[in-house]
Amino acid sequence: NAGVTQTPKFRVLKTGQSMTLLCAQDMNHEYMYWYRQDPGMGLRLIHYSVGEGTTAKGEVPDGYNVSRLKKQNFLLGLESAAPSQTSVYFCASSYPGTAYEQYFGPGTRLTVT
Amino acid sequence: ILNVEQSPQSLHVQEGDSTNFTCSFPSSNFYALHWYRWETAKSPEALFVMTLNGDEKKKGRISATLNTKEGYSYLYIKGSQPEDSATYLCAFIFAGGYQKVTFGTGTKLQVIP
Repeated sequence: NAGVTQTPKFRVLKTGQSMTLLCAQDMNHEYMYWYRQDPGMGLRLIHYSVGEGTTAKGEVPDGYNVSRLKKQNFLLGLESAAPSQTSVYFCASSYPGTAYEQYFGPGTRLTVT
Repeated sequence: ILNVEQSPQSLHVQEGDSTNFTCSFPSSNFYALHWYRWETAKSPEALFVMTLNGDEKKKGRISATLNTKEGYSYLYIKGSQPEDSATYLCAFIFAGGYQKVTFGTGTKLQVIP
């Protein structure tokens, strides 16, 4: 039982490049989330999904897109990376039975130069 | 945007000291309040999930209380140990927006041996 996994763990991009971060969970959770963590800002919600085929904007969605084609996977895309998107990205999943307790992945450290 | 505040931002205590932190959140439309422990280079892990006014939870030397009417929760650590050094996050779940979790910016605790 791997829990929540994220791919890749580290990535360096140049401004304007695109990439996709993959989050996978094997707990059959309905809800999945993407957060970014920046110094002094805590965790900020980028996008979230309440089920397969559905996504919604969080607090800081600009510059990101997401897709949830399969229940176990939640993809975060950066179409044209900017230095302001340098951050650590965490994926999480949850279900109602534990009042939406967040189960986090290990994080992806992204640097945009 | 919901306002979830934590204080203090950081704290240095001597080994053996007891300490406590505060999480403030909106006092209306409460659904749940979570506490997470976040060690450096790791992912946040849930300590407590609290849903009822007056809830008190305990795990070893760490305990938490909840007051939903006035919108605050306290986290207590008794007899701090160096391994307690971490950032402690609280997260508020708004009734009606269950899928969205709003995090505070955390309290960074350092326990000095």
